[in-house]
Amino acid sequence: NAGVTQTPKFQVLKTGQSMTLQCAQDMNHEYMSWYRQDPGMGLRLIHYSVGAGITDQGEVPNGYNVSRSTTEDFPLRLLSAAPSQTSVYFCASSYGTGIGGYTFGSGTRLTVV
Amino acid sequence: QQQVKQSPQSLIVQKGGISIINCAYENTAFDYFPWYQQFPGKGPALLIAIRPDVSEKKEGRFTISFNKSAKQFSLHIMDSQPGDSATYFCAASLMNTGNQFYFGTGTSLTVIP
Repeated sequence: NAGVTQTPKFQVLKTGQSMTLQCAQDMNHEYMSWYRQDPGMGLRLIHYSVGAGITDQGEVPNGYNVSRSTTEDFPLRLLSAAPSQTSVYFCASSYGTGIGGYTFGSGTRLTVV
Repeated sequence: QQQVKQSPQSLIVQKGGISIINCAYENTAFDYFPWYQQFPGKGPALLIAIRPDVSEKKEGRFTISFNKSAKQFSLHIMDSQPGDSATYFCAASLMNTGNQFYFGTGTSLTVIP
């Protein structure tokens, strides 16, 4: 049982480049979310999904796009990378009731130069 | 507006001592309050959680104290060990509403041998 798998673990992008951060879970969780973690700011919600085909914006959605075509996968796309998007990105999933909280992936450390 | 405020930002405790981290929340509708533990290079992992219908929950050396009227909750780590050195995040959520979690800004705990 792999849990939540994120790839890649590390990435360096040039300003203006685009890329997709991959996230997959094998726990049949309805809810999936993307967070970014920055020093002194905790975890901030970027986008979330309550099920396949349904996504919504979180606290800091600008510059990011998501889709949820299957229950298992929830990729995060950076449309045109900016230095302000340098961060550690976490994907998380949970059951719809929320009991048990979120299961987080191990993170993707992204640097935009 | 910060939905969940966490303090202190950092904490140094002697081995065997008690570590106390405090959180306050704004939205009285929140009904699930988890604590997450994060080690360097890893994703946050659920440590312990509480619902607002109880004032205290204990799991081993970890205890959550919950004060509904004051809109505050805290994590107590008894007999703190060097292996407890990590970053701790409190969070609050509305269950069954998209499972959005609002995180505190984190507390970096160092337990000195």
